[in-house]
Amino acid sequence: DGGITQSPKYLFRKEGQNVTLSCEQNLNHDAMYWYRQDPGQGLRLIYYSQIVNDFQKGDIAEGYSVSREKKESFPLTVTSAQKNPTAFYLCASSRYYNEQFFGPGTRLTVL
Amino acid sequence: AQKVTQAQTEISVVEKEDVTLDCVYETRDTTYYLFWYKQPPSGELVFLIRRNSFDEQNEISGRYSWNFQKSTSSFNFTITASQVVDSAVYFCALSDNYGQNFVFGPGTRLSVLP
Repeated sequence: DGGITQSPKYLFRKEGQNVTLSCEQNLNHDAMYWYRQDPGQGLRLIYYSQIVNDFQKGDIAEGYSVSREKKESFPLTVTSAQKNPTAFYLCASSRYYNEQFFGPGTRLTVL
Repeated sequence: AQKVTQAQTEISVVEKEDVTLDCVYETRDTTYYLFWYKQPPSGELVFLIRRNSFDEQNEISGRYSWNFQKSTSSFNFTITASQVVDSAVYFCALSDNYGQNFVFGPGTRLSVLP
């Protein structure tokens, strides 16, 4: 089955730690995206990538980093510089000019 | 800059009622795309529809229908004979011609009561 997988589903982080969220897709999509969603809020774009080895900052990139070494993978690292990382993180992918398809999300909680 | 407004923060209806979710957008592009997504309590966003700016025909899919009016920059979503399973947050979104500058509205939380 084609789709987008995100892991882990739940993640707990101590203050000062970096954590990496995984996002993998087997849809052969060119573009991939990371969004952050806070409770009761909409989606805010963190980073996106249109092709391998290239990515651009979204609206709230500070405190986050990404890599795109393979077409299928777009991991997101939440660094200690992100002061309020507790949120729901959604990964998406799309073909050019088309709708985005989303993974199931990762809920990150800072202890 | 592109912008999507969903003025209705929360809507509650009783099962079998019809409900319309409003979406108003702003863009300077002549070619653009509009989308609707559903986010059930599980959290994963589910794609519902994509419409390009040159296609103003209304679309119906089962109990769902969409009304696109360029003159008022609106792309409204109607659920006919609502069901409890329709309870979710619904997002309207806008992108430019290249699928970039993807902007989501703030969402409308729909609660369908039995």
